[in-house]
Amino acid sequence: DVKVTQSSRYLVKRTGEKVFLECVQDMDHENMFWYRQDPGLGLRLIYFSYDVKMKEKGDIPEGYSVSREKKERFSLILESASTNQTSMYLCASSLSPRTSGSVVETQYFGPGTRLLVL
Amino acid sequence: AQKITQTQPGMFVQEKEAVTLDCTYDTSDPSYGLFWYKQPSSGEMIFLIYQGSYDQQNATEGRYSLNFQKARKSANLVISASQLGDSAMYFCAMSLDTGRRALTFGSGTRLQVQP
Repeated sequence: DVKVTQSSRYLVKRTGEKVFLECVQDMDHENMFWYRQDPGLGLRLIYFSYDVKMKEKGDIPEGYSVSREKKERFSLILESASTNQTSMYLCASSLSPRTSGSVVETQYFGPGTRLLVL
Repeated sequence: AQKITQTQPGMFVQEKEAVTLDCTYDTSDPSYGLFWYKQPSSGEMIFLIYQGSYDQQNATEGRYSLNFQKARKSANLVISASQLGDSAMYFCAMSLDTGRRALTFGSGTRLQVQP
């Protein structure tokens, strides 16, 4: 079974703090993604990564950065947390179609981190 | 750009009955995948079923089936024999064969199964 874990289920931080959200997958997946989910706005892509040390901006990268030093770990960093970053953060991973030979690959999600910035 | 539309914000179904959740999509790309995810109140996004754009047969996974009508660009989820544990948000999503391969999600349908 695919397992994606996230470092915290709930997190409370103060405005201006630097926040690290960690995501680890155990299935040797090449692709990893960070989404945020907000009521009325749905799920939006923040950043994604195709390989170690590679990263690409998603739809809403402002105020965030990412790090992928090892294949199994993809970290989301809030450089200076703000109240409008209060949200549910979901990490996902998938194989690369180059590896699987499929048209597209299923993304598997972690349990999510509910972040509250005060 | 691709788009997913789920027109049912909420649905009720009686336990043991079947229910269909609607999903339409829009893309000009011929190669794509369609997914359904379940999100219970705990927040985790659980993968249910996948349909590739070139698949000739509708996908099935246990009590879940995907009614894929390519010409109409619809990918409805059918849940047979509903259970109380099926109460959750359900999201339809799409990923393309090209580009960044991230998922585009619909707005979701909240399903409530009544005893």
